[in-house]
Amino acid sequence: DQQVKQNSPSLSVQEGRISILNCDYTNSMFDYFLWYKKYPAEGPTFLISISSIKDKNEDGRFTVFLNKSAKHLSLHIVPSQPGDSAVYFCAASGTNFGNEKLTFGTGTRLTIIP
Amino acid sequence: EAGVAQSPRYKIIEKRQSVAFWCNPISGHATLYWYQQILGQGPKLLIQFQNNGVVDDSQLPKDRFSAERLKGVDSTLKIQPAKLEDSAVYLCASSLEWVEKLFFGSGTQLSVL
Repeated sequence: DQQVKQNSPSLSVQEGRISILNCDYTNSMFDYFLWYKKYPAEGPTFLISISSIKDKNEDGRFTVFLNKSAKHLSLHIVPSQPGDSAVYFCAASGTNFGNEKLTFGTGTRLTIIP
Repeated sequence: EAGVAQSPRYKIIEKRQSVAFWCNPISGHATLYWYQQILGQGPKLLIQFQNNGVVDDSQLPKDRFSAERLKGVDSTLKIQPAKLEDSAVYLCASSLEWVEKLFFGSGTQLSVL
């Protein structure tokens, strides 16, 4: 039962353009969402998060949008840079008992083309 | 600030052998996690500790996997005996509190032949 889904295994974007990575979830008890970035041979590193009381959170070139009714979130990277090439994981958790653990999606490999 | 330390980085064993991984979390982080990441999949939680107590081990295959965090600091994860399907990267992570952002180590890549 995949509660967090990233349906695009890979994405290629020209340098300088916008990268949009998508994530869908099925568990309505999730209320905290995070994006992690992973380079080869390294552990995932935290990128940005959003709680369910917001619909948008920005941090520099990175913005996460949350649509609770659609159970969908997206990560926008503007402008995309070569160093953004990595695997991006969406993750979700809840604050109620039984849903606290972080559940990860399968990841999207982003390639920025110079 | 030192990050999450894991060792070894790589391990190759034959099926039915035993293996152990070590993790030292960020100083002061009460919560420690072990995740398994199989190629092409996202990390899957195996076990979560709060200090030296187990919070969640519902996805740990307890017939072969064990983990401990005796003094509430570093932790070991053991597999005995290993199966081919245990080939994966084993990631350790820590956080100040649960439901907080996690800091991951670089992982141990296990190959079971």
